[in-house]
Amino acid sequence: KNQVEQSPQSLIILEGKNCTLQCNYTVSPFSNLRWYKQDTGRGPVSLTIMTFSENTKSNGRYTATLDADTKQSSLHITASQLSDSASYICVVSEEGGGNKLTFGTGTQLKVEL
Amino acid sequence: GAGVSQSPSNKVTEKGKDVELRCDPISGHTALYWYRQRLGQGLEFLIYFQGNSAPDKSGLPSDRFSAERTGESVSTLTIQRTQQEDSAVYLCASSSQTRETEAFFGQGTRLTVV
Repeated sequence: KNQVEQSPQSLIILEGKNCTLQCNYTVSPFSNLRWYKQDTGRGPVSLTIMTFSENTKSNGRYTATLDADTKQSSLHITASQLSDSASYICVVSEEGGGNKLTFGTGTQLKVEL
Repeated sequence: GAGVSQSPSNKVTEKGKDVELRCDPISGHTALYWYRQRLGQGLEFLIYFQGNSAPDKSGLPSDRFSAERTGESVSTLTIQRTQQEDSAVYLCASSSQTRETEAFFGQGTRLTVV
């Protein structure tokens, strides 16, 4: 069964600090991986997409990495801000078969003063 | 519509009553997902539709939960004889069949069982 596991489940950091969120998956055949950000009370929105051939991609203070061999991805947040407080969800797409998506349960990040 | 629409946005119901939650996906999106999210918790998968069929309904927690989709469009999640532990936000997402497909989420229905 395809699975996506994220760690840590929750994280508290001080404003200005960096952090890294992890995503491990067993989805096969792999098509792509997206990181979503879910602000409190809102639906998740896509931050970045990683395809098989991409190792790293940046979107502002967010940098995602992908190791397709070990089936791991990370999301690194630099110089965190209070507005980064949210849930971060890793979603992996299966190649073919309607491109079914498998969602991780998310990492709850809280940035404090 | 421009995005995924869910209704109602909030629902308060008495324990034991039945509720219906509705999801209008983005037009043309063949895949539709229902998730449950308890306060402060992660997404809990409920059911996945491809067209009007549900090839994966493994996340439905009990036989009180059912869902259907018609016209490859609207989906309804029904919870019968609601219990307090059903209180949560129910999120719907839809996606297309393109290779770099993105899931688009509705704002969710907040269900409170009293």
